[in-house]
Amino acid sequence: GNSVTQMEGPVTLSEEAFLTINCTYTATGYPSLFWYVQYPGEGLQLLLKATKADDKGSNKGFEATYRKETTSFHLEKGSVQVSDSAVYFCALSSDDTGANSKLTFGKGITLSVRP
Amino acid sequence: DAGVIQSPRHEVTEMGQEVTLRCKPISGHDYLFWYRQTMMRGLELLIYFNNNVPIDDSGMPEDRFSAKMPNASFSTLKIQPSEPRDSAVYFCASSRDRGLFGELFFGEGSRLTVL
Repeated sequence: GNSVTQMEGPVTLSEEAFLTINCTYTATGYPSLFWYVQYPGEGLQLLLKATKADDKGSNKGFEATYRKETTSFHLEKGSVQVSDSAVYFCALSSDDTGANSKLTFGKGITLSVRP
Repeated sequence: DAGVIQSPRHEVTEMGQEVTLRCKPISGHDYLFWYRQTMMRGLELLIYFNNNVPIDDSGMPEDRFSAKMPNASFSTLKIQPSEPRDSAVYFCASSRDRGLFGELFFGEGSRLTVL
């Protein structure tokens, strides 16, 4: 079955530090990959996505590249801000033949950015 | 456009009581999802609907849980009787169609506490 594995958290960084959050996946077929972000007290919202191998998704200074050879979709940002403090979820959507596609989420990782 | 609307935002109840959570999806979205979020288990898909029809309810934990979607603009998740282990944040999400299946729009969640 499909699964998403995220690095263990929480992660605490100082403002302007470089961020990497690891995500690897297991899936049949050709999945699409996503990063969702959940700010305190809110629902999840889509941050970025990539639908095929070697695609790079980007938004708000965050980037992630779909690496089929390593089955990874690591999230990076060159300089984090306090406002980036949130929970980040990696997810995949796999359109298996004969089945209904649905999202599979990782467990999420909490990022705290200190001023 | 209004986003996904959930009510109540917070619910505190006693064990054994019936709990009803409500959701209004974004107009025009054909898919509706109910998720549960806890610290221990992360984000779990409970059930999802397509055009008001339940497609996959394999995530519904027990017979105490039931969900309905009587029309395209309203869904309920009911727990009867409630137990302390049901305490969690319950999210409703909707999406436009299968082609954009991974791009879910989440409500702000209903935080349930069962004493």
